[in-house]
Amino acid sequence: NAGVTQTPKFQVLKTGQSMTLQCAQDMNHEYMSWYRQDPGMGLRLIHYSVGAGITDQGEVPNGYNVSRSTTEDFPLRLLSAAPSQTSVYFCASSRADSYGYTFGSGTRLTVV
Amino acid sequence: EDQVTQSPEALRLQEGESSSLNCSYTVSGLRGLFWYRQDPGKGPEFLFTLYSAGEEKEKERLKATLTKKESFLHITAPKPEDSATYLCAVPFSGGYNKLIFGAGTRLAVHP
Repeated sequence: NAGVTQTPKFQVLKTGQSMTLQCAQDMNHEYMSWYRQDPGMGLRLIHYSVGAGITDQGEVPNGYNVSRSTTEDFPLRLLSAAPSQTSVYFCASSRADSYGYTFGSGTRLTVV
Repeated sequence: EDQVTQSPEALRLQEGESSSLNCSYTVSGLRGLFWYRQDPGKGPEFLFTLYSAGEEKEKERLKATLTKKESFLHITAPKPEDSATYLCAVPFSGGYNKLIFGAGTRLAVHP
Protein backbone atom coordinates (compact mmCIF):
# COMPACT_ATOMS: atom_id res chain seq x y z
CA ASN A 1 0.00 0.00 0.00
CA ALA A 2 1.37 3.40 -0.99
CA GLY A 3 -0.92 5.32 1.42
CA VAL A 4 -1.04 9.04 0.54
CA THR A 5 1.24 10.12 -2.30
CA GLN A 6 2.09 13.76 -2.90
CA THR A 7 3.93 15.19 -5.88
CA PRO A 8 6.14 17.07 -6.35
CA LYS A 9 8.26 16.93 -3.16
CA PHE A 10 9.89 20.29 -3.87
CA GLN A 11 8.87 23.21 -6.06
CA VAL A 12 10.07 26.76 -6.66
CA LEU A 13 7.65 29.19 -8.28
CA LYS A 14 7.89 32.78 -9.34
CA THR A 15 5.32 35.24 -8.04
CA GLY A 16 2.20 35.10 -10.21
CA GLN A 17 2.77 31.60 -11.57
CA SER A 18 0.15 28.91 -11.09
CA MET A 19 0.60 25.24 -10.34
CA THR A 20 -1.15 22.14 -9.06
CA LEU A 21 -0.02 20.03 -6.13
CA GLN A 22 -1.07 16.45 -6.63
CA CYS A 23 -2.42 14.14 -3.93
CA ALA A 24 -3.58 10.55 -4.35
CA GLN A 25 -4.59 7.89 -1.82
CA ASP A 26 -5.15 4.20 -2.36
CA MET A 27 -6.99 3.37 0.88
CA ASN A 28 -10.50 4.17 -0.36
CA HIS A 29 -10.77 6.90 2.28
CA GLU A 30 -13.80 9.17 2.08
CA TYR A 31 -12.25 12.23 3.72
CA MET A 32 -9.30 14.18 2.29
CA SER A 33 -7.75 17.46 3.39
CA TRP A 34 -5.00 19.89 2.55
CA TYR A 35 -2.97 21.58 5.28
CA ARG A 36 -0.10 24.01 5.21
CA GLN A 37 2.58 24.02 7.88
CA ASP A 38 4.52 27.14 8.76
CA PRO A 39 7.14 27.54 11.54
CA GLY A 40 5.54 28.26 14.90
CA MET A 41 2.01 28.08 13.54
CA GLY A 42 1.27 24.40 13.30
CA LEU A 43 -0.85 22.86 10.58
CA ARG A 44 -3.65 25.00 9.16
CA LEU A 45 -6.52 23.60 7.12
CA ILE A 46 -6.82 24.96 3.59
CA HIS A 47 -9.61 22.88 2.00
CA TYR A 48 -11.22 19.56 2.70
CA SER A 49 -13.53 17.05 1.04
CA VAL A 50 -15.93 14.49 2.52
CA GLY A 51 -16.36 12.61 -0.74
CA ALA A 52 -16.13 12.79 -4.52
CA GLY A 53 -17.75 15.97 -5.79
CA ILE A 54 -17.94 17.59 -2.33
CA THR A 55 -15.41 20.17 -1.14
CA ASP A 56 -15.40 22.99 1.39
CA GLN A 57 -13.13 25.70 2.75
CA GLY A 58 -10.95 25.44 5.82
CA GLU A 59 -9.18 28.14 7.84
CA VAL A 60 -6.96 29.61 5.10
CA PRO A 61 -8.57 28.99 1.68
CA ASN A 62 -7.72 32.24 -0.10
CA GLY A 63 -5.51 31.76 -3.16
CA TYR A 64 -6.22 28.03 -3.43
CA ASN A 65 -8.73 25.92 -5.33
CA VAL A 66 -9.57 22.25 -5.02
CA SER A 67 -11.74 19.70 -6.77
CA ARG A 68 -12.48 16.04 -6.11
CA SER A 69 -13.65 14.19 -9.17
CA THR A 70 -12.65 10.75 -7.82
CA THR A 71 -12.31 9.20 -4.37
CA GLU A 72 -8.57 8.75 -4.90
CA ASP A 73 -7.42 12.20 -6.04
CA PHE A 74 -7.56 15.63 -4.40
CA PRO A 75 -5.38 18.18 -6.23
CA LEU A 76 -4.65 21.63 -4.80
CA ARG A 77 -4.32 24.51 -7.26
CA LEU A 78 -2.45 27.72 -6.59
CA LEU A 79 -4.04 30.31 -8.84
CA SER A 80 -1.40 33.08 -8.73
CA ALA A 81 1.47 32.26 -6.39
CA ALA A 82 2.53 34.80 -3.77
CA PRO A 83 5.53 34.75 -1.40
CA SER A 84 3.07 34.31 1.50
CA GLN A 85 2.28 30.87 0.08
CA THR A 86 5.81 29.67 0.75
CA SER A 87 5.18 26.73 3.05
CA VAL A 88 5.12 22.96 3.40
CA TYR A 89 1.87 21.48 2.15
CA PHE A 90 0.44 18.22 3.45
CA CYS A 91 -2.38 16.16 2.07
CA ALA A 92 -4.19 13.78 4.41
CA SER A 93 -6.98 11.23 4.21
CA SER A 94 -9.14 9.27 6.61
CA ARG A 95 -12.15 6.98 6.76
CA ALA A 96 -15.47 8.65 7.44
CA ASP A 97 -15.74 6.91 10.83
CA SER A 98 -12.26 7.78 12.06
CA TYR A 99 -10.26 10.93 12.73
CA GLY A 100 -6.98 9.06 12.41
CA TYR A 101 -5.66 10.92 9.40
CA THR A 102 -2.92 9.42 7.21
CA PHE A 103 -0.63 12.14 5.93
CA GLY A 104 1.50 12.32 2.83
CA SER A 105 5.18 13.22 3.01
CA GLY A 106 4.58 16.83 1.99
CA THR A 107 5.45 19.31 -0.75
CA ARG A 108 7.91 22.06 0.12
CA LEU A 109 6.95 25.11 -1.93
CA THR A 110 9.00 28.28 -2.27
CA VAL A 111 7.59 31.33 -4.02
CA VAL A 112 10.17 33.92 -5.04
CA GLU B 1 -13.03 30.40 19.06
CA ASP B 2 -11.64 26.91 18.64
CA GLN B 3 -8.06 26.81 19.85
CA VAL B 4 -5.35 24.28 20.67
CA THR B 5 -2.27 25.28 22.65
CA GLN B 6 0.73 23.04 23.30
CA SER B 7 3.46 23.49 25.87
CA PRO B 8 6.33 23.61 26.12
CA GLU B 9 7.39 24.63 22.61
CA ALA B 10 10.60 22.67 22.99
CA LEU B 11 11.82 20.12 25.52
CA ARG B 12 15.27 18.66 25.95
CA LEU B 13 15.60 15.46 27.97
CA GLN B 14 18.37 13.09 28.88
CA GLU B 15 17.80 9.48 27.92
CA GLY B 16 15.72 7.87 30.68
CA GLU B 17 14.42 11.19 32.04
CA SER B 18 10.61 11.00 32.07
CA SER B 19 8.44 14.05 31.38
CA SER B 20 5.07 15.20 30.07
CA LEU B 21 3.83 17.33 27.20
CA ASN B 22 0.67 19.39 27.54
CA CYS B 23 -2.14 20.11 25.10
CA SER B 24 -4.95 22.43 26.20
CA TYR B 25 -7.99 23.09 24.05
CA THR B 26 -11.09 25.23 23.80
CA VAL B 27 -13.76 23.75 21.58
CA SER B 28 -17.48 23.24 21.99
CA GLY B 29 -18.48 19.63 22.35
CA LEU B 30 -15.21 17.76 22.16
CA ARG B 31 -15.47 14.89 19.69
CA GLY B 32 -12.00 13.53 20.25
CA LEU B 33 -8.40 14.56 20.75
CA PHE B 34 -5.59 13.21 18.60
CA TRP B 35 -1.86 12.93 19.06
CA TYR B 36 0.56 12.74 16.16
CA ARG B 37 4.32 12.38 15.90
CA GLN B 38 6.22 14.23 13.18
CA ASP B 39 9.82 13.52 12.22
CA PRO B 40 11.83 16.17 10.32
CA GLY B 41 10.95 16.29 6.62
CA LYS B 42 8.01 13.90 7.01
CA GLY B 43 4.28 14.08 7.44
CA PRO B 44 2.65 13.60 10.85
CA GLU B 45 2.10 10.01 11.96
CA PHE B 46 -1.02 9.14 13.93
CA LEU B 47 -0.43 7.96 17.51
CA PHE B 48 -3.61 8.06 19.62
CA THR B 49 -7.25 9.06 19.72
CA LEU B 50 -8.90 9.95 23.05
CA TYR B 51 -12.64 10.50 23.21
CA SER B 52 -13.66 11.11 26.81
CA ALA B 53 -12.26 12.57 30.03
CA GLY B 54 -10.41 9.93 32.04
CA GLU B 55 -9.46 7.89 29.01
CA GLU B 56 -5.86 6.72 28.65
CA LYS B 57 -3.97 5.15 25.75
CA GLU B 58 -0.47 3.66 25.75
CA LYS B 59 2.08 2.80 23.11
CA GLU B 60 5.56 1.69 24.13
CA ARG B 61 7.01 4.56 26.23
CA LEU B 62 4.12 6.93 25.49
CA LYS B 63 0.90 7.33 27.44
CA ALA B 64 -1.79 9.86 26.55
CA THR B 65 -4.42 11.04 29.02
CA LEU B 66 -7.42 13.34 28.65
CA THR B 67 -9.32 15.70 30.96
CA LYS B 68 -12.15 18.07 30.14
CA LYS B 69 -9.73 20.88 29.29
CA GLU B 70 -6.41 19.31 28.40
CA SER B 71 -4.43 16.26 27.43
CA PHE B 72 -1.02 15.07 28.51
CA LEU B 73 1.46 12.94 26.63
CA HIS B 74 3.65 11.24 29.20
CA ILE B 75 6.99 9.92 28.03
CA THR B 76 8.53 7.33 30.33
CA ALA B 77 12.27 6.60 30.16
CA PRO B 78 12.63 8.15 26.71
CA LYS B 79 15.21 7.05 24.17
CA PRO B 80 16.90 9.17 21.46
CA GLU B 81 14.58 7.63 18.86
CA ASP B 82 11.66 9.33 20.63
CA SER B 83 13.03 12.68 19.45
CA ALA B 84 10.41 14.30 17.20
CA THR B 85 7.74 16.98 17.19
CA TYR B 86 4.54 15.90 18.90
CA LEU B 87 1.31 17.45 17.67
CA CYS B 88 -2.15 17.36 19.16
CA ALA B 89 -5.38 18.15 17.32
CA VAL B 90 -9.13 18.36 17.92
CA PRO B 91 -12.02 18.52 15.45
CA PHE B 92 -13.47 21.96 14.80
CA SER B 93 -16.72 22.68 16.63
CA GLY B 94 -19.62 21.55 14.50
CA GLY B 95 -17.25 20.53 11.75
CA TYR B 96 -16.96 17.32 9.88
CA ASN B 97 -13.60 15.65 9.80
CA LYS B 98 -11.68 18.93 10.08
CA LEU B 99 -8.89 19.07 12.61
CA ILE B 100 -7.33 22.10 14.30
CA PHE B 101 -3.73 21.47 15.31
CA GLY B 102 -1.54 22.89 18.02
CA ALA B 103 1.88 24.26 17.06
CA GLY B 104 3.60 21.21 18.53
CA THR B 105 6.29 20.38 21.07
CA ARG B 106 9.79 19.66 19.73
CA LEU B 107 11.27 16.91 21.85
CA ALA B 108 15.00 16.17 21.83
CA VAL B 109 16.27 13.18 23.81
CA HIS B 110 20.02 13.05 24.28
CA PRO B 111 22.06 9.95 25.20
